Amino acid sequence: DVKVTQSSRYLVKRTGEKVFLECVQDMDHENMFWYRQDPGLGLRLIYFSYDVKMKEKGDIPEGYSVSREKKERFSLILESASTNQTSMYLCASSLTSGRGEQYFGPGTRLTVT
Amino acid sequence: GENVEQHPSTLSVQEGDSAVIKCTYSDSASNYFPWYKQELGKGPQLIIDIRSNVGEKKDQRIAVTLNKTAKHFSLHITETQPEDSAVYFCAAYPTEAAGNKLTFGGGTRVLVKP
Repeated sequence: DVKVTQSSRYLVKRTGEKVFLECVQDMDHENMFWYRQDPGLGLRLIYFSYDVKMKEKGDIPEGYSVSREKKERFSLILESASTNQTSMYLCASSLTSGRGEQYFGPGTRLTVT
Repeated sequence: GENVEQHPSTLSVQEGDSAVIKCTYSDSASNYFPWYKQELGKGPQLIIDIRSNVGEKKDQRIAVTLNKTAKHFSLHITETQPEDSAVYFCAAYPTEAAGNKLTFGGGTRVLVKP
């Protein structure tokens, strides 16, 4: 079974802090994604990566950056956390792009105070 | 870009009844439509998908229908059971030219009452 793990289930940070969310997948998938989940808004794509050191902006990249130094690891960085970034963050991976099944981690609930 | 609308946002059904969730999409070039189920405390998981060259697909108690002309697709769950209680998301995938991005609907919280 594909396993996608995220470094924390719950995280509380202060406004202005730099925040790192880590995601690791164990199935040698090419593609990795970071989503933000808010009630009524579904899942919105922040960034995705289709190869090591490659990244593409999603629909809501402002205030975020990403890093993919190794194939299995994809990090989401909040350079200066703000209260409007309080949300559930979901990481996913897929073997193929687009029409391929995405496998999600359990999510990180981030609260910025 | 693509826009996916999902209705209803919440759905309460009696165990054994059917549940229907409807989604509409805006980009006529979209050609792949997956449905994900998110149980409490877990990430979403793919339960069924349909491609634009197919009108209907079934997998045991779940089925998905697609109307390309009207640009809408629906998820049908028959004989609902308590374990069907979850949040369901529809999604649409446009052509590769639009980028490798799924666009998700807003989600439907389904509660199956025993």
